[in-house]
Amino acid sequence: DTGVSQNPRHKITKRGQNVTFRCDPISEHNRLYWYRQTLGQGPEFLTYFQNEAQLEKSRLLSDRFSAERPKGSFSTLEIQRTEQGDSAMYLCASSAPAAGYNSPLHFGNGTRLTVT
Amino acid sequence: AQTVTQSQPEMSVQEAETVTLSCTYDTSENNYYLFWYKQPPSRQMILVIRQEAYKQQNATENRFSVNFQKAAKSFSLKISDSQLGDTAMYFCAFMGANNAGNMLTFGGGTRLMVKP
Repeated sequence: DTGVSQNPRHKITKRGQNVTFRCDPISEHNRLYWYRQTLGQGPEFLTYFQNEAQLEKSRLLSDRFSAERPKGSFSTLEIQRTEQGDSAMYLCASSAPAAGYNSPLHFGNGTRLTVT
Repeated sequence: AQTVTQSQPEMSVQEAETVTLSCTYDTSENNYYLFWYKQPPSRQMILVIRQEAYKQQNATENRFSVNFQKAAKSFSLKISDSQLGDTAMYFCAFMGANNAGNMLTFGGGTRLMVKP
């Protein structure tokens, strides 16, 4: 178990540019989540995959955001035409296929995005 | 929709002493799970302790214990014999038992500083 891996750790981009983040979950976990965390706040749910299927999306996920998990393994989160309000830590988490209590979320270190 | 509130933005405690972090939540569900996560500075979020709502017995994990008051919708975390390594952000989180995707709703967090 190597844990949830996220790349890059930090990303600085200019407003209007597109960015893409990658998440590699724990290998046997079939569920993958993206959360956004702004400074001093708790994480907010963005979207969730079970295997390759994106089963739920938050209203926070505007049409500039898209997430994929093409083979049910790693996932990417793309933000198009970035805005300064997109500056945040983007957290990825994964969990095993079991009921919630028995399958807590395991988080990665996050990708910190700064939009200038 | 669920909400989770942590009313203490910051707390401090002397090493070896005991501290209690507060958490209240609002839900119309009868069965659910509650979690405390720890996020050390610049490090990944890790699970500290979890509680099933239908269990009256409070969960305990070594120096960490909870005081779960279902009627009051309160879920506080007690850290005994505080250590310098306990310095971190602590997040209370809620998961509905009928939530097929195991999504978590987080509180805003409490920053805990353990002083030597």
